Amino acid sequence: IAGITQAPTSQILAAGRRMTLRCTQDMRHNAMYWYRQDLGLGLRLIHYSNTAGTTGKGEVPDGYSVSRANTDDFPLTLASAVPSQTSVYFCASSRLHGADTQYFGPGTRLTVL
Amino acid sequence: DQQVKQNSPSLSVQEGRISILNCDYTNSMFDYFLWYKKYPAEGPTFLISISSIKDKNEDGRFTVFLNKSAKHLSLHIVPSQPGDSAVYFCAGGETSGSRLTFGEGTQLTVNP
Repeated sequence: IAGITQAPTSQILAAGRRMTLRCTQDMRHNAMYWYRQDLGLGLRLIHYSNTAGTTGKGEVPDGYSVSRANTDDFPLTLASAVPSQTSVYFCASSRLHGADTQYFGPGTRLTVL
Repeated sequence: DQQVKQNSPSLSVQEGRISILNCDYTNSMFDYFLWYKKYPAEGPTFLISISSIKDKNEDGRFTVFLNKSAKHLSLHIVPSQPGDSAVYFCAGGETSGSRLTFGEGTQLTVNP
């Protein structure tokens, strides 16, 4: 069982380019999340999905979009990357939404130049 | 509005001693709290949780204490081991809500 996989592991991107970070889970969890981790700011929620077909905005949603076409996949898209989006991105999932244990992927390190 | 705060960015302890990591929250609706541990270049991993109906939860060397009146929780690690060196995040949420809110993290270093 892989749990949660993320791709790519790392990426260097020119500003203005479009980028999709991939996230797949095999635990049949209902809820999925995208976070960014920045030094001194901890983990901040970008977008979430309580169940397939629904999405919601987190603390820092601007410049990002998500879709949840099925239970397993939750891609995060940066339509036009900017340097402030340089960060480490973590995908997570939980069986239930809300205050349930979330399980994290290994992360994607993104650098926008 | 930082609803979950970890005021100590770093903590250093000697192997075998107790590590105490602290976390404060402001949202009185939070009724579930978790601690996560993160090693470099890895995703956070779940460590221990506590519901607001309890004031203590223990799992081996790890104990979480919750003081609801003070809106404060702490993670105790006894005895501390060098392998415990990592960043620790606390998180809070509402059972009926849609998300967890994480603190900034505390870097724990356990010296041999």
